[in-house]
Amino acid sequence: QVQLVQSGAEVKKPGASVKVSCKASGYTFSSYGIGWVRQAPGQGLEWMGYISGYNGNTNYAQKYQGRLTLTTDTSTSTAYMELWSLRFDDTAVYYCAREGIVAASYGDPWGQGTLVTVSS
Amino acid sequence: DIQMTQSPSSLSASVGDRVTITCRASQPISNYLNWYQQKPGRAPRLLIYAASSFQSGVPSRFSGSGSGTDFTLTISSLQPEDFATYYCQQSYRTPLTFGGGTKVEI
Repeated sequence: QVQLVQSGAEVKKPGASVKVSCKASGYTFSSYGIGWVRQAPGQGLEWMGYISGYNGNTNYAQKYQGRLTLTTDTSTSTAYMELWSLRFDDTAVYYCAREGIVAASYGDPWGQGTLVTVSS
Repeated sequence: DIQMTQSPSSLSASVGDRVTITCRASQPISNYLNWYQQKPGRAPRLLIYAASSFQSGVPSRFSGSGSGTDFTLTISSLQPEDFATYYCQQSYRTPLTFGGGTKVEI
């Protein structure tokens, strides 16, 4: 079955960076994209960006421009989300989701989520 | 950015009730509207895409409608497993944006 499995929880200090992985299985990785969404504790969902598994094109929310890097490794069907210059308010659960081939459309399925805690 | 406004933010209902959640976009988005269900501690699950298309495996008691700026998600007969938070999302233009969520409680 189609599945996305994310890497484990992380604790980081302010100013550091974090890299979360999302390994896909059960489908042809290059036929879809991957979107990233985060959810701060007790809050709603926030879209961060998208990367195409087909051509590697990316689309970032303006809020994260310059601080977010999305990449893929098609040889291992894995997508990565790297967020730099972490702040306390980056503490959140980060989700990946399978998306459309060249543009974000709707996420299905989603990974289980990765909790990133920013603490001094 | 396109703003998505959901109402109500929470509601109390009983098993068997008909529940309707509304979502309004700040500008027309055609039918580029998706609905998700999220239970505590779990990832969101896609219910409806393109305003009214069912995702595989979603019970038929869920339905979506609307176009332009106004959309609804209806649960025809609420079941115990439906108590959760529901989010709408527009995919008309990036950045994709979500509504604030509707928590369905007993």
